[in-house]
Amino acid sequence: DAGVTQSPTHLIKTRGQQVTLRCSPKSGHDTVSWYQQALGQGPQFIFQYYEEEERQRGNFPDRFSGHQFPNYSSELNVNALLLGDSALYLCASSFDRGRVFYAGELFFGEGSRLTVL
Amino acid sequence: AQSVTQLDSHVSVSEGTPVLLRCNYSSSYSPSLFWYVQHPNKGLQLLLKYTSAATLVKGINGFEAEFKKSETSFHLTKPSAHMSDAAEYFCVVSRNSGGGADGLTFGKGTHLIIQP
Repeated sequence: DAGVTQSPTHLIKTRGQQVTLRCSPKSGHDTVSWYQQALGQGPQFIFQYYEEEERQRGNFPDRFSGHQFPNYSSELNVNALLLGDSALYLCASSFDRGRVFYAGELFFGEGSRLTVL
Repeated sequence: AQSVTQLDSHVSVSEGTPVLLRCNYSSSYSPSLFWYVQHPNKGLQLLLKYTSAATLVKGINGFEAEFKKSETSFHLTKPSAHMSDAAEYFCVVSRNSGGGADGLTFGKGTHLIIQP
């Protein structure tokens, strides 16, 4: 059983560019959350997708957007990249049965490391 | 609002000695609390979780944590450290009920070093 898979694993962009990161959830999971982990910090919640809609959002600007597809996979898009967007982006999946609030176990992927020059 | 404070950024212990990683939380609601571990270049793995059942929670790899509401603490312990325990550990809080947009709130992490 494959766990959460993310692509690409590493990428380098320049300021002002746009990036798309991809995530396939663990088999049987219906909810995908995205987190940003800056170097030496804990992950910060970006947003969560359920039934192809953004259900919750953290304190991130509109430059950060996402999408969930009918097969539950998800994309994270970041526009107008800034140097401060350099981080490890983690995708996590769970089976939430439609609950508004998460209280179960998240399964994390290994992340996509974005470097903005 | 909710927050988590991990009291030590680094903890160093000798192999075979006890481990204590400290975590205090703040939450407006009755919280769910978790400990996650992150090995180098790996994703986060759940060690254990508290969701308002037993206050002493047992997790994987011999770790356990005790929820103390009066002290707003959720410290992680292990009786005997192993070299493979060297990693980054995150204390995490989640709202247990209600509505909002907070997701999970992570602490800044404690780097556990195991001395041979």
